[in-house]
Amino acid sequence: GAVVSQHPSRVICKSGTSVKIECRSLDFQATTMFWYRQFPKKSLMLMATSNEGSKATYEQGVEKDKFLINHASLTLSTLTVTSAHPEDSSFYICSARDGTSGSQETQYFGPGTRLLVL
Amino acid sequence: GDSVTQMEGPVTLSEEAFLTINCTYTATGYPSLFWYVQYPGEGLQLLLKATKADDKGSNKGFEATYRKETTSFHLEKGSVQVSDSAVYFCALSSGGYQKVTFGTGTKLQVIP
Repeated sequence: GAVVSQHPSRVICKSGTSVKIECRSLDFQATTMFWYRQFPKKSLMLMATSNEGSKATYEQGVEKDKFLINHASLTLSTLTVTSAHPEDSSFYICSARDGTSGSQETQYFGPGTRLLVL
Repeated sequence: GDSVTQMEGPVTLSEEAFLTINCTYTATGYPSLFWYVQYPGEGLQLLLKATKADDKGSNKGFEATYRKETTSFHLEKGSVQVSDSAVYFCALSSGGYQKVTFGTGTKLQVIP
């Protein structure tokens, strides 16, 4: 099946620094990628949708200047958490949709990135 | 807006027991329904899906039927194994398949 990777899997940073998380589709072209945030014992919350070569669409309440998303190629999207604070600590998950597949409603998920801001 | 409600866990079962994880949804229009599974340390994997009323999705012994009249998509398996231990997420997709709404997840633990 389709594989999506994320890097890093875990990151610890100091408050005020920026952190970049990469999401890659390994064996398919992802015209659309999604970024989610998962809080403990809560469901995944969609943060933004990014389409290759265009600006990301952010969900209501998500600060676009804080969570910078770049989808520069069909296999890579990045999420940068700028000036991170302890409340940004969370589990961030990306997913990708195979733009060439007939089953376009299926999203393939990465393994997630655990961010801890001290 | 769209929402998905699933039973809180954790659910602990003995091997070979029958499994049901309840899921109900609220959505406008006619959503597609999914069950995703997250094994420890791994990402979410699509387990099964159903795209219209009365469809039954099935995979690896799991099945779920899209019930429009009760807005439900309960996950069932006749005989669970230790390897089924994971977190299960019910989800729906609507509006041109752009956005997926997830339930809170139900942790299943199967003991030998």
